[in-house]
Amino acid sequence: GQQVMQIPQYQHVQEGEDFTTYCNSSTTLSNIQWYKQRPGGHPVFLIQLVKSGEVKKQKRLTFQFGEAKKNSSLHITATQTTDVGTYFCAGLVVTDSWGKLQFGAGTQVVVTP
Amino acid sequence: DTGVSQNPRHKITKRGQNVTFRCDPISEHNRLYWYRQTLGQGPEFLTYFQNEAQLEKSRLLSDRFSAERPKGSFSTLEIQRTEQGDSAMYLCASSPGGGVTDTQYFGPGTRLTVL
Repeated sequence: GQQVMQIPQYQHVQEGEDFTTYCNSSTTLSNIQWYKQRPGGHPVFLIQLVKSGEVKKQKRLTFQFGEAKKNSSLHITATQTTDVGTYFCAGLVVTDSWGKLQFGAGTQVVVTP
Repeated sequence: DTGVSQNPRHKITKRGQNVTFRCDPISEHNRLYWYRQTLGQGPEFLTYFQNEAQLEKSRLLSDRFSAERPKGSFSTLEIQRTEQGDSAMYLCASSPGGGVTDTQYFGPGTRLTVL
């Protein structure tokens, strides 16, 4: 089974509100990656966090990597209808010379106008 | 750069039939990955190629599944004697292979429905 857990599984948001989705791993990760999958689409890479405590921003999206490199969060401010989709975190576990991505189950975001 | 492509996009088959999917990675990407995604779940790793060498297979990949990447470019995933539990989206991803943490780029997927 998957070792990367995401909460919440579903997130209903009023347009303009903020929300946060959380990702937790049972093991220390080399890095964490976030993907967005639109309904009927495929995962699209958003960002990668590598350093302990790292924070990165992409417009209204703020990504954090925990100090212990076992958890991460995605915070979206002023949600828009274009934010609809499922957000996956994926922890990278290094094996030999390559890294295996372990995906969480995702947070499905629905935005109400 | 045309991105990762997968064919077919949709496949409906009867239980017991064999199916084959194709993935064309981004040009010059050395690494290629296959994932399976079921409804409400994140992609689950199936197998990984470094050029033409298949370096890892998940325990999810039963003996009915076989993947190849004969010339280190495109890859095929074959499922023999399909079962209803094989119904899922099969995703292919590729990465440049320049480092351990290189970004994986996903294709649009092949949605398999086994009747």
